[in-house]
Amino acid sequence: DAKTTQPNSMESNEEEPVHLPCNHSTISGTDYIHWYRQLPSQGPEYVIHGLTSNVNNRMASLAIAEDRKSSTLILHRATLRDAAVYYCILDSGAGSYQLTFGKGTKLSVIP
Amino acid sequence: EAGVAQSPRYKIIEKRQSVAFWCNPISGHATLYWYQQILGQGPKLLIQFQNNGVVDDSQLPKDRFSAERLKGVDSTLKIQPAKLEDSAVYLCASSLGVVTGHRFPNTEAFFGQGTRLTVV
Repeated sequence: DAKTTQPNSMESNEEEPVHLPCNHSTISGTDYIHWYRQLPSQGPEYVIHGLTSNVNNRMASLAIAEDRKSSTLILHRATLRDAAVYYCILDSGAGSYQLTFGKGTKLSVIP
Repeated sequence: EAGVAQSPRYKIIEKRQSVAFWCNPISGHATLYWYQQILGQGPKLLIQFQNNGVVDDSQLPKDRFSAERLKGVDSTLKIQPAKLEDSAVYLCASSLGVVTGHRFPNTEAFFGQGTRLTVV
């Protein structure tokens, strides 16, 4: 399975943008890039996913490098509620949908 | 839309006792997952069902863990006998899954709040 690499932790000031990086140098051409986040004492929740083009939704934006070996999750304006562990996960888009979680990036938001 | 329901939320048992967790997925979701999350780590997949069949149970410690999904809806995960290292949060999730052989790439998984198990 293709692996992802994320920083263990990041900090951001409230109301500032946050860029969470993810490296996936062994990604295959059909792998989708998914982001989930886990708030304290909650189960993970879906944030966004993409294949090749940049994606936007109400929660965040996903910027995918042209060679697809890395991606960045962008929170446009961090709030205290965005403090969570963010996971970058690859999915083949075929067969069963299976999420293999790494350790993720723990995002702290400073008031 | 109702989310994934899990019970109980918390459970404390002594080692060598047995315990069971229950999960009710989102209506219409064919795929159901059980994850184990040890403190400070990401969730680890234990078992994945597609309807009432097992897709992947390669990381399920089958000597002590068992899971079933009767009628392709609710599921139970059992541990017997429990060990100290089983202390963790057990998460259930569901997703739309495969429909008539087609996998929708924009599928997302929905997670319950989990059951926190403490083995003493």
